[in-house]
Amino acid sequence: GQQLNQSPQSMFIQEGEDVSMNCTSSSIFNTWLWYKQDPGEGPVLLIALYKAGELTSNGRLTAQFGTTRKDSFLNISASIPSDVGIYFCAGRNTDKLIFGTGTRLQVFP
Amino acid sequence: AAGVIQSPRHLIKEKRETATLKCYPIPRHDTVYWYQQGPGQDPQFLISFYEKMQSDKGSIPDRFSAQQFSDYHSELNMSSLELGDSALYFCASSPEYNEQFFGPGTRLTVL
Repeated sequence: GQQLNQSPQSMFIQEGEDVSMNCTSSSIFNTWLWYKQDPGEGPVLLIALYKAGELTSNGRLTAQFGTTRKDSFLNISASIPSDVGIYFCAGRNTDKLIFGTGTRLQVFP
Repeated sequence: AAGVIQSPRHLIKEKRETATLKCYPIPRHDTVYWYQQGPGQDPQFLISFYEKMQSDKGSIPDRFSAQQFSDYHSELNMSSLELGDSALYFCASSPEYNEQFFGPGTRLTVL
């Protein structure tokens, strides 16, 4: 089946630092989405990308849809303690989402 | 704003028992999706419904079935439960194949 690999697997950063994570696939996707999940809670949609090359921002978050349609990137600027959680990318062609392996982010004050 | 509602939030069952999970989508959302997330894993797609008809099927065991009702709520029925069915089960809804919004999940523990 389709596989989405996220890197890094985990990150430990200091408050105020910028964060970058990426997601790569062996298959092409028409839509890329980024979700954040807190422990025991449902994923929360952060950013949706619909077109190759698209760059979209949501506050301190910026995500890009790779030009090959096989990858996507998420950047978080000036991290704060509440950014802690697991970040998942997800690709979509029809209706179901294929999730990445997740990036666990820890922010230290 | 209204969100996806799932019930129950926690469920404990014995092996070989049956469980029913319920999902109430965001108002005016006509598409419902079910995902299973094991410990430390990413969510895996199980099944989806659009306008009360099954629209896609993923890695859902034959012991599981689901349906969407006329009021658009959905139920996931799980029979002959196994230890490996212990997981978080998420429902998501969307307006006609657009962005999916997830509920808080049901944590199922099979003993």
